Amino acid sequence: DIQMTQSPSSLSASVGDRVTISCRASQSISTYLNWYQQKPGRAPKLLIYAASSLQSGVPSRFSGSGSVTDFTLTISSLQAEDFATYYCQQSYSPPVTFGQGTRLEIK
Amino acid sequence: QVQLQESGPGLVRPSGTLSLICAVSGDSISSDTWWSWVRQSPRKGLEWVGEIYHTGATNYNPSLKNRITMSVDKSKKQFSLNLSSVTAADTAVYYCASQGGHQEFDHWGQGTLVTVSS
Repeated sequence: DIQMTQSPSSLSASVGDRVTISCRASQSISTYLNWYQQKPGRAPKLLIYAASSLQSGVPSRFSGSGSVTDFTLTISSLQAEDFATYYCQQSYSPPVTFGQGTRLEIK
Repeated sequence: QVQLQESGPGLVRPSGTLSLICAVSGDSISSDTWWSWVRQSPRKGLEWVGEIYHTGATNYNPSLKNRITMSVDKSKKQFSLNLSSVTAADTAVYYCASQGGHQEFDHWGQGTLVTVSS
């Protein structure tokens, strides 16, 4: 199975900050990389698919980049509603696998 | 906009079978979409369980392959998961989800907690 490793595991930031979360795959996955946001007690929500495509309805402050093994999720200006846990997921090779998550907390 | 809703017992005895149903609305279950189960536990995080197409074709996570069966009922607009010989390690929140063109999970049910305990 392809292992997905996110960094950092947790992050403290303030409203208005620019935040980046990294995700590394254990082997090449081209751009088959998706990002999700999850709030407590809720299902994950798709933010970015195919590494850099913004899901419909997701604010443009979210962006994704990267290819092969290294990927980044960027939030350009944090809003209060963005404090949550973020997951990356590879869809290149079955079984699809997820990162362990990055918890974004209020500083 | 597709909507998904999981249902099933919240408690399953060890060595028993976990059975869940996902009801699909707002989209045809016969559309060009794979329908998946994903589970989440504190121990293993998010884990893909398996997927099914409206033709009945399935793909399962190899880690569960000998215990899992998925089926689809197009007339009822639902698909189901059966996981046999469960242990405490199968305790998790189980989500059903639809997949988009890049195998991303674009719509999710609210999730249902299944606890394996005697």
